[in-house]
Formats: sequence, structure tokens, C-alpha cells
Amino acid sequence: KAGVTQTPRYLIKTRGQQVTLSCSPISGHRSVSWYQQTPGQGLQFLFEYFSETQRNKGNFPGRFSGRQFSNSRSEMNVSTLELGDSALYLCASTLTGGTDTQYFGPGTRLTVL
Amino acid sequence: QKEVEQNSGPLSVPEGAIASLNCTYSDRVSQSFFWYRQYSGKSPELIMSIYSNGDKEDGRFTAQLNKASQYVSLLIRDSQPSDSATYLCAVNLMNRDDKIIFGKGTRLHILP
Repeated sequence: KAGVTQTPRYLIKTRGQQVTLSCSPISGHRSVSWYQQTPGQGLQFLFEYFSETQRNKGNFPGRFSGRQFSNSRSEMNVSTLELGDSALYLCASTLTGGTDTQYFGPGTRLTVL
Repeated sequence: QKEVEQNSGPLSVPEGAIASLNCTYSDRVSQSFFWYRQYSGKSPELIMSIYSNGDKEDGRFTAQLNKASQYVSLLIRDSQPSDSATYLCAVNLMNRDDKIIFGKGTRLHILP
């Protein structure tokens, strides 16, 4: 069974630009969660999607948004990038979400210059 | 008090010894607890999940949960250099809409 895939793996952007990251969950998994990981703050929850609906949201500004498609693939978008958005963005897929076991993708390393 | 707290380390343990990693959490009614291992430059991978008070063993790993003390730990027996990684504790916080919240992790270094 294929694992969680994320594209792109690396991204370099400049301040003010926007970026879209993609996550394809494990086949059959319907929930996708997104996390931001930085050395200072650790792994912070961004949002969770289940059946194309945002089910939960972390404490991030409105510049961070996401969506999920009918095939469970998910995208997250960050608009008006700031230097502090430089981080590893991880998505995790679970069968139905909640407290199910999360399987993480390899992440997208975003660098904002 | 932070919601999920771990000592950042590094924790240095001689090869073959027992490594003990600790995690405290703030929400008394949390039900689900997870330990993840993350190698440098890689994504987290699940080692253990525990839901009931007491010990749960899986190979060289033992998770211990004490809900009254709001404390969960991970013991690694016969530590190997390949165990050197950051260990993340994750807790579902029911007072935070059932989100899974991660601690910042403990860096473990196994000394050959």
C-alpha cells in the first residue's frame, strides 16, 4: 500500500508570494491533517479535513487555508508569505480522523526569503 | 502549564542501557496518547499508542500511562545507536476539540 505523498518536497519563495502544497493520503484514508514544524515551536496543528469538510482548526492566521477534494487529496495554501512561515509542512492521513493512528508524509520544506 | 510538555534534552544514554522519556499533559480527561520517533530530516513515525493506565509493551519499547498524575513515559530497553532520534509525545486534548497536540520532543542520543 502506498504511503502518504506530498508535493513538492522543497520550495523556495519570497515574502509576499503565495504557495500551494499538496498531500495525497493513503488509499482509503478519508482524513488529512496538516502540521507546521519549526525548531522553536515544534509540531503545530494547522487543520484537519474529513470528507471535504474542515473538521478542526489550529491557531494560525487566515493566511493559512486548506481544502480537500472528493478523492481525499488535500491542498493547503499560504498567502502573503512571511519569513516566519519557513518551516517543514507535514500532512498526516488517518482512516477517519480523531484519535486514529496518523501516518505522516515526508513533508514539504518551505523556505521564504 | 504547557499542554504537552517534554524535556528537550539531549538525553544521552549508553548503548545497551534503558532510555526513559517522559511527557506530562494538562488535560485531565485526555484519552489517547502516542509516541512518535523522528529521525533528523525525516517525518515522524508512530512507535506506540496507549489508552489505558498501566504499561504497554512492544518489543524493546514500553509505554507507561498514569492518568491520575497526567504523565506518560516511554522506556527503550537495550538501547541501540539506531534509537538516536527525537521522540515526540502526542496527546488528544479533549478540551481542545479533541485535537492531537504534540510536545516539542526529546532528543535522544545513544552513546556507542
